[in-house]
Amino acid sequence: DQQVKQNSPSLSVQEGRISILNCDYTNSMFDYFLWYKKYPAEGPTFLISISSIKDKNEDGRFTVFLNKSAKHLSLHIVPSQPGDSAVYFCAAVSGATNKLIFGTGTLLAVQP
Amino acid sequence: DAGITQSPRYKITETGRQVTLMCHQTWSHSYMFWYRQDLGHGLRLIYYSAAADITDKGEVPDGYVVSRSKTENFPLTLESATRSQTSVYFCASSLRDSRTEAFFGQGTRLTVV
Repeated sequence: DQQVKQNSPSLSVQEGRISILNCDYTNSMFDYFLWYKKYPAEGPTFLISISSIKDKNEDGRFTVFLNKSAKHLSLHIVPSQPGDSAVYFCAAVSGATNKLIFGTGTLLAVQP
Repeated sequence: DAGITQSPRYKITETGRQVTLMCHQTWSHSYMFWYRQDLGHGLRLIYYSAAADITDKGEVPDGYVVSRSKTENFPLTLESATRSQTSVYFCASSLRDSRTEAFFGQGTRLTVV
């Protein structure tokens, strides 16, 4: 049973435009959310995170939005650059278990 | 070298054999994790450890054994490898807990034939 879902396996965006990656979760005990980026043949790297007490967190070109009532979060990348092309994983943490649970990933392709 | 390293990078083994994947980190991070990456499943947590001698099951622990006698090492053992355990395995560590940034190794590609 997938507790963290990324329903879009892939996304293609033009350079300079906005990329929006979506993530849904089912476990209401999740209280912290993170995004990781992964290039081929490398391990994932941390991108940005958000606590459940906030609804937005921004870091440069990256912004994460959290809608707790909908159990939905999204990552916005503005403007998108070709170097952003990678697989993006959404992850969630439950305070009760301290497990870091990942979603299935979305492959972002930014076209020059 | 500083950081988190996994060995071997590639491994082919036969069904039924015992295999151990190694993970070593130099930061003295408290938490360590093992994930497997499979197409359509993303990254699934196998086991994690909050400190030396403290381990707990993740989402898919069956068929795997871990130990953490020293803070810096977190080996993952497949007791009797099966074809379904063919995957890319990632080890990670984080300073305090799962909310702090996790640093991943480069992965071990394991093929069970």
